[in-house]
Amino acid sequence: EAGVAQSPRYKIIEKRQSVAFWCNPISGHATLYWYQQILGQGPKLLIQFQNNGVVDDSQLPKDRFSAERLKGVDSTLKIQPAKLEDSAVYLCASSGGYNSPLHFGNGTRLTVT
Amino acid sequence: AQSVTQLDSQVPVFEEAPVELRCNYSSSVSVYLFWYVQYPNQGLQLLLKYLSGSTLVESINGFEAEFNKSQTSFHLRKPSVHISDTAEYFCAVTSYSSASKIIFGSGTRLSIRP
Repeated sequence: EAGVAQSPRYKIIEKRQSVAFWCNPISGHATLYWYQQILGQGPKLLIQFQNNGVVDDSQLPKDRFSAERLKGVDSTLKIQPAKLEDSAVYLCASSGGYNSPLHFGNGTRLTVT
Repeated sequence: AQSVTQLDSQVPVFEEAPVELRCNYSSSVSVYLFWYVQYPNQGLQLLLKYLSGSTLVESINGFEAEFNKSQTSFHLRKPSVHISDTAEYFCAVTSYSSASKIIFGSGTRLSIRP
């Protein structure tokens, strides 16, 4: 089966600019996650979707981050405006059911200068 | 709320030596536990999982982990490591009641010396 697709792979922007990341999960996976992984740390959950509804966004900085999954398939994560501390790898993952393992994409490495 | 603690940020070992990567969790409800691995320049992938049943679970490449409820631990072990095991290892937890919210530890970088 095709894996989780993410783009772009790398992105460099200046602070206060905006950026968007795209994720296409494994076909049929209802649950989609966005994680932020700062260098030297474990992945931190930003937002979890079940189909096109938000299950958990308690750690999403909503003043600058937004995410959507309009048709319950692919998803976009946006940062506007970016800050230096947003430099990280943004990981998208999907799973096929309750407590099923996560399948991760290769991530988008964001550098904010 | 759940949390995961990986006490060792780095573990250097010699090739063919045994290794143990420690993981402790905190939860007020029953949990599912996972180990994920991230090889250099690759994405995270599942190594093994504990959902129920036998407390000792194994991966296809020789790793094993034992769920110890009394000590709230899920340590990862391998009796003899290989250079190809060089990677970062993440312990993760979710609970029966958390709607599949999965919390990760901070990771342990395993480096193998020849």
